[in-house]
Amino acid sequence: SAVISQKPSRDICQRGTSLTIQCQVDSQVTMMFWYRQQPGQSLTLIATANQGSEATYESGFVIDKFPISRPNLTFSTLTVSNMSPEDSSIYLCSVDSYLGNEQFFGPGTRLTVL
Amino acid sequence: QQQVKQSPQSLIVQKGGISIINCAYENTAFDYFPWYQQFPGKGPALLIAIRPDVSEKKEGRFTISFNKSAKQFSLHIMDSQPGDSATYFCAASKSYGGSQGNLIFGKGTKLSVKP
Repeated sequence: SAVISQKPSRDICQRGTSLTIQCQVDSQVTMMFWYRQQPGQSLTLIATANQGSEATYESGFVIDKFPISRPNLTFSTLTVSNMSPEDSSIYLCSVDSYLGNEQFFGPGTRLTVL
Repeated sequence: QQQVKQSPQSLIVQKGGISIINCAYENTAFDYFPWYQQFPGKGPALLIAIRPDVSEKKEGRFTISFNKSAKQFSLHIMDSQPGDSATYFCAASKSYGGSQGNLIFGKGTKLSVKP
């Protein structure tokens, strides 16, 4: 399985500010995914990030609010822009395994917006 | 529209008992069905996964049963232990281009195993 790290692990931010979350993988992967898990809830896909192309966003999520970068095959960032308390969630990145037959998650970034 | 329905929402089982969690899906194009285990403050960890070409898959104490015609799959945890106490999520996706694609998750089941 891939080893995935995320930074920061948690943060407390003020309303109206932005936070960039980093996801680093120990091997090259084609696709990376960003999910949101609101408190006590399930996971919802925000967007899919392929290296060298624009991220693909799911319904309800827009690039202006959640810009994503994917500069290479081992790294991606998700920015949560102009934050409000409703953005308080755990943000998780995930990747496909080398063979593409499994999907693994990072430890998550716990974001609290005051 | 919820494409993956999971039940029960919570489950209490005695140590040594069998825990059973059920999921139903709607999209017949789904071809990948994983189960994830999540402990508080941690990311989901892949537990076991199945594809529609088999009806059952077993790994240690964990078994997935899959019923393609009923569009249902379930997780069975045999000899449940207090260390199994966690939240379990089923998911489904349609794989494409060598990827498992975008996972659609159920709402989760909080399992508590009593000693």
